[in-house]
Amino acid sequence: RKEVEQDPGPFNVPEGATVAFNCTYSNSASQSFFWYRQDCRKEPKLLMSVYSSGNEDGRFTAQLNRASQYISLLIRDSKLSDSATYLCVVTLNNNDMRFGAGTRLTVKP
Amino acid sequence: DAMVIQNPRYQVTQFGKPVTLSCSQTLNHNVMYWYQQKSSQAPKLLFHYYDKDFNNEADTPDNFQSRRPNTSFCFLDIRSPGLGDAAMYLCATSRQDLGQPQHFGDGTRLSIL
Repeated sequence: RKEVEQDPGPFNVPEGATVAFNCTYSNSASQSFFWYRQDCRKEPKLLMSVYSSGNEDGRFTAQLNRASQYISLLIRDSKLSDSATYLCVVTLNNNDMRFGAGTRLTVKP
Repeated sequence: DAMVIQNPRYQVTQFGKPVTLSCSQTLNHNVMYWYQQKSSQAPKLLFHYYDKDFNNEADTPDNFQSRRPNTSFCFLDIRSPGLGDAAMYLCATSRQDLGQPQHFGDGTRLSIL
């Protein structure tokens, strides 16, 4: 079983749609959780950290479920500029980050 | 302003010819990482430095070496590149505190002829 698993997609949605990605992780000792965004042939960029209580940043909402070992990302009112690959990242207690393979999102006019 | 800088952006080398990729940072982070990323795959951690302490991933080939002469700089040396080493190489930094995210450079795309 992979340490971090994501649905690879692609998710093709129209502008304005709401889309949700899930990610599961295998190590119950995982401490920190993040969503990164990666554009084609570019480096990953931090989108948001994921906190136990859930957190929101504008159109983006992240949730963590420790019992079931999954995190989610919800994007509301999708924009064309949201098209990218979204990487789920999990950190163990030694700053050792493990990346999912990413979920590709394409937002269409 | 770029805070994690990788040079060059694109590197072409010949099969078996040693190559060095460089990374510098202005964030004063004490942890630096090197990742290899191939198309449609997750970044794969090769090794990281916790200050001067070098941590090698168990499955990182011996062909890959690293040097960190000071806090700001870190190098990735590929001693004898093979065709399978063609990839994007990403450098990242972070603070050592738990919960701190990593900050990535633009990456170096390595091609092998």
